[in-house]
Amino acid sequence: DSGVTQTPKHLITATGQRVTLRCSPRSGDLSVYWYQQSLDQGLQFLIQYYNGEERAKGNILERFSAQQFPDLHSELNLSSLELGDSALYFCASSVGGTGTSGNTIYFGEGSWLTVV
Amino acid sequence: AQTVTQSQPEMSVQEAETVTLSCTYDTSESDYYLFWYKQPPSRQMILVIRQEAYKQQNATENRFSVNFQKAAKSFSLKISDSQLGDAAMYFCAYRSPRGGGSNYKLTFGKGTLLTVNP
Repeated sequence: DSGVTQTPKHLITATGQRVTLRCSPRSGDLSVYWYQQSLDQGLQFLIQYYNGEERAKGNILERFSAQQFPDLHSELNLSSLELGDSALYFCASSVGGTGTSGNTIYFGEGSWLTVV
Repeated sequence: AQTVTQSQPEMSVQEAETVTLSCTYDTSESDYYLFWYKQPPSRQMILVIRQEAYKQQNATENRFSVNFQKAAKSFSLKISDSQLGDAAMYFCAYRSPRGGGSNYKLTFGKGTLLTVNP
């Protein structure tokens, strides 16, 4: 158990719908990362938050958004869903964004999203 | 931009034998971090081992060890005394130690699927 908690574990929804994935980081971790794992794209970095602020942005679509709340949990919002958005979405956390202690990233178990 | 290449899409090993998974990376940075993650059929991403580029000594975690060749930009994972539970997809990953932009992210290779035969 990595200490990173993601809900829901599985989600099936229709095209055009909107879903929210939730993540609670490890106790004491300030950084939260979102990754998407699909068969054709592999593991792709989406976005990172550090202590409530957006720190880095990767290949995140405009239909997707995220935020990190004062209690440090994070939500990834996916809207106008398309079939191609079906993937495993990982949340990960680390202590910080820089420095030796902050450079190991621990992953949650992922949220399986199926768009039908 | 950094890239990570795993040239072996699939590998197999006999139980109790040793297997080495290859990883090469491309970067212009002199300081960075390298990781191996394991993804079993449950799909959870599990950290196996990490290596700091400034350390010459190769990292070791029980049966797992790395061969870090900085000049060659090579970072292979050796699994000794392979066990059935080692069967998984293994991902090599790179991370810059510096912040700014997307440098905080992990860049992953495409993975190597390891099968352990009894």
